Amino acid sequence: GIQVEQSPPDLILQEGANSTLRCNFSDSVNNLQWFHQNPWGQLINLFYIPSGTKQNGRLSATTVATERYSLLYISSSQTTDSGVYFCAVEPLGANSKLTFGKGITLSVRP
Amino acid sequence: EPEVTQTPSHQVTQMGQEVILRCVPISNHLYFYWYRQILGQKVEFLVSFYNNEISEKSEIFDDQFSVERPDGSNFTLKIRSTKLEDSAMYFCASTEPPYEQYFGPGTRLTVT
Repeated sequence: GIQVEQSPPDLILQEGANSTLRCNFSDSVNNLQWFHQNPWGQLINLFYIPSGTKQNGRLSATTVATERYSLLYISSSQTTDSGVYFCAVEPLGANSKLTFGKGITLSVRP
Repeated sequence: EPEVTQTPSHQVTQMGQEVILRCVPISNHLYFYWYRQILGQKVEFLVSFYNNEISEKSEIFDDQFSVERPDGSNFTLKIRSTKLEDSAMYFCASTEPPYEQYFGPGTRLTVT
């Protein structure tokens, strides 16, 4: 099946810093989503981005489908950005199930 | 904004007992899913459901698991005889392809 690799596995930032989280995938996809898992375990939808670029406040994401990667940018990080960030993809012909990466654990220090 | 809801938020059960996890998908969605996340690990697909039948299931989804849409709003996951290794967070999701999947807040299942 499709492989989803996220990097780096862990990231520690000072409040106010910027960061880039990467997601590589091994095959063509119909769908790509970024999630933030908060301390209560909830998966918060950040972006639905099978291709192109989107922005939402301090967060933005870019997916280059032809090169099979996606980037999540966090600017001016805040302590509330801490948590695990997951990339999930739906391979072509996969009947819409999502395959998740292992996640990136972000810690933002005050 | 419409959202997926799940009940209960936390369920504790003894090994060998049956549990039913409940989900109310977004009302105009027709595709439903269950995923699970063992503590500290990634989220894994269990099963997808469309038109009142399973459309795909993973190797995790063995005979101990079943899903049902008993009425027009609920979507349930049943585990017939729970094992210690079933302890996990279970997420329900719904979508209207080709758009994004919306996830519920999860049910944390603890098997003792």
